[in-house]
Amino acid sequence: QKEVEQNSGPLSVPEGAIASLNCTYSDRGSQSFFWYRQYSGKSPELIMSIYSNGDKEDGRFTAQLNKASQYVSLLIRDSQPSDSATYLCAVNTRWNQFYFGTGTSLTVIP
Amino acid sequence: EPEVTQTPSHQVTQMGQEVILRCVPISNHLYFYWYRQILGQKVEFLVSFYNNEISEKSEIFDDQFSVERPDGSNFTLKIRSTKLEDSAMYFCASRDRGSEKLFFGSGTQLSVL
Repeated sequence: QKEVEQNSGPLSVPEGAIASLNCTYSDRGSQSFFWYRQYSGKSPELIMSIYSNGDKEDGRFTAQLNKASQYVSLLIRDSQPSDSATYLCAVNTRWNQFYFGTGTSLTVIP
Repeated sequence: EPEVTQTPSHQVTQMGQEVILRCVPISNHLYFYWYRQILGQKVEFLVSFYNNEISEKSEIFDDQFSVERPDGSNFTLKIRSTKLEDSAMYFCASRDRGSEKLFFGSGTQLSVL
C-alpha cells in the first residue's frame, strides 16, 4: 500500500511566523519527494522537490527529507497571507507513480 | 508558460451515462496522468500513460475507465457507465522525460446525478 500521510490541520499561524508542515510515507523504495500548493478550487502547483537526505532551501521555503524515518517536511518562513492554501506532500514511488497525501490546510492570519 | 488544457471545465451527467474528459498535455511532454479529487479529499492517482500505453494504474481504475491518445495532442479519459461516486474533480497532468515536475490542468468538475 503506497500511503502518504499528512496532518490535515487546519494549521493557523500569524503573519511573519514560521509554518511547519509534515509528511510521512510508507514505500521505503520511494525516490523523489515533492510539495505542491493547492488553492481552493484550483489545481496543484509544484513549489519544492527534494531527492536526498537533508535540507533544501528555495527562498522562504525549506524542504527537509529523512529517508531512514520516511519523513518529509516543509518550512515556510516569514509566512504571508498569500501562503494560505492546502499543501500537498507527494511521493514518486519506484514504479514512477506520484502519490499525494491528504494535504494540510494552512491559514496565515494578518 | 506552456500549460495543460482540460475540457470541459464542468460536466453534468446522469448516472449510467458515458463521459469523455479531454486533455491537451504540454506538447513536448511524454508522460501523462489522470488524477481525481473528491471534494475535501486527497488527490488520487488513477493512471499513467507513456509511449501510447498505460504504464501504471491504481485499483480505482477499473473496467469502467479507459484512456486513449487518439491523435498527437489529445489525451482522453472515458468513464463508461458513471456512478454517483464518480463525482469529483478530474485532473490531467503531464511531464517531460527528464523532469519529475507534474504540470496539472485546471481540471474537469464531473457531477453525476
